[in-house]
Amino acid sequence: GAGVSQSPSNKVTEKGKDVELRCDPISGHTALYWYRQRLGQGLEFLIYFQGNSAPDKSGLPSDRFSAERTGESVSTLTIQRTQQEDSAVYLCASSLGWGNTIYFGEGSWLTVV
Amino acid sequence: DQQVKQNSPSLSVQEGRISILNCDYTNSMFDYFLWYKKYPAEGPTFLISISSIKDKNEDGRFTVFLNKSAKHLSLHIVPSQPGDSAVYFCAASEGSYIPTFGRGTSLIVHP
Repeated sequence: GAGVSQSPSNKVTEKGKDVELRCDPISGHTALYWYRQRLGQGLEFLIYFQGNSAPDKSGLPSDRFSAERTGESVSTLTIQRTQQEDSAVYLCASSLGWGNTIYFGEGSWLTVV
Repeated sequence: DQQVKQNSPSLSVQEGRISILNCDYTNSMFDYFLWYKKYPAEGPTFLISISSIKDKNEDGRFTVFLNKSAKHLSLHIVPSQPGDSAVYFCAASEGSYIPTFGRGTSLIVHP
């Protein structure tokens, strides 16, 4: 499809396991964002990639969280040693660049049990 | 500390009437404001935006008003339709950089 694609759509994992969430941005979009939404909370910024610039990691909540992006395409968000408080919807978004409309994917629902 | 606040978690409106969703912000550096709409099991979709050089922006049934002195913005939907039932997120940014989102307001429009 032409939109932002995320996988898996749902993931249940045991506490302490590592998880990887994948995002395929809209083709041609140089900017990529990761947000998460925990139950009853707003959208919480995690990390931002813009072209070949160093990513803005200021939103990552702990060193258990990391993300990579290959060029201007796929991004992977990795959560190591998952905790129950990591349970959330992880939303990926992309845009043509700074200042342009951000388009979100449908999210990856993560449940840590 | 929340920089973007949506103090009403929910709003119920009759079809055909006006829906007014409110948003307050604390960071005076914010100069670009957006509203997103989210249906269940879908990602948020962009609705309307406004920059700080304006105090009003209109797009069809949707109008956003900005009061910079009060650090307040609102989204008006007129007339409201049942299909408008969704969660509405207010967001703000400095110079169109990374938006900071509020917690959202769930709008229910009754037929």
